[in-house]
Amino acid sequence: DGGITQSPKYLFRKEGQNVTLSCEQNLNHDAMYWYRQDPGQGLRLIYYSQIVNDFQKGDIAEGYSVSREKKESFPLTVTSAQKNPTAFYLCASSKAEGVGGSPLHFGNGTRLTVT
Amino acid sequence: DAKTTQPNSMESNEEEPVHLPCNHSTISGTDYIHWYRQLPSQGPEYVIHGLTSNVNNRMASLAIAEDRKSSTLILHRATLRDAAVYYCILSGGSNYKLTFGKGTLLTVNP
Repeated sequence: DGGITQSPKYLFRKEGQNVTLSCEQNLNHDAMYWYRQDPGQGLRLIYYSQIVNDFQKGDIAEGYSVSREKKESFPLTVTSAQKNPTAFYLCASSKAEGVGGSPLHFGNGTRLTVT
Repeated sequence: DAKTTQPNSMESNEEEPVHLPCNHSTISGTDYIHWYRQLPSQGPEYVIHGLTSNVNNRMASLAIAEDRKSSTLILHRATLRDAAVYYCILSGGSNYKLTFGKGTLLTVNP
């Protein structure tokens, strides 16, 4: 079955270390997204990519970086510059054509804890 | 970006219908109305979406007001597995920047 795979499910890091979260999709979707969710809160958009080798900042991009070298993959790096990195990170994808009417498909998230 | 307003929480009894409201008074003509739901520690799951007409699928129905300034997600017979946070979001034209609010926490009582 097609879907989105995020790994690992849980990740622990020491403060000051960069960490990369993996997101892979086999839905043949052009667009991919990274969201952050804090306890009791909604989802906030970090970065999104409409096509390979192109990406745009979302609402909270500071302290994060992404790459989109392959259609299937959209890894997110949480850098040491991110002041409050502990959160639940969600990756999603969608078709690009008629984007307004294209549902998002989400992975099951990575819970990052930084101490 | 057009915003949506949802109640923080709602409660229902098992096997009864549930009507989850969403206000989106600043919706534009190209905005689709999407609904997702999220169980604890999981990613959101797509439920349904529509533009102008009411929509039905195996999970739910979406009723859209004639002026499109509000919509209602209808779960015809709530089950305990429907207990989740439900998000109503607008997705318009070529806008990839989708905003999720806090959603509505639905509690289903046995």
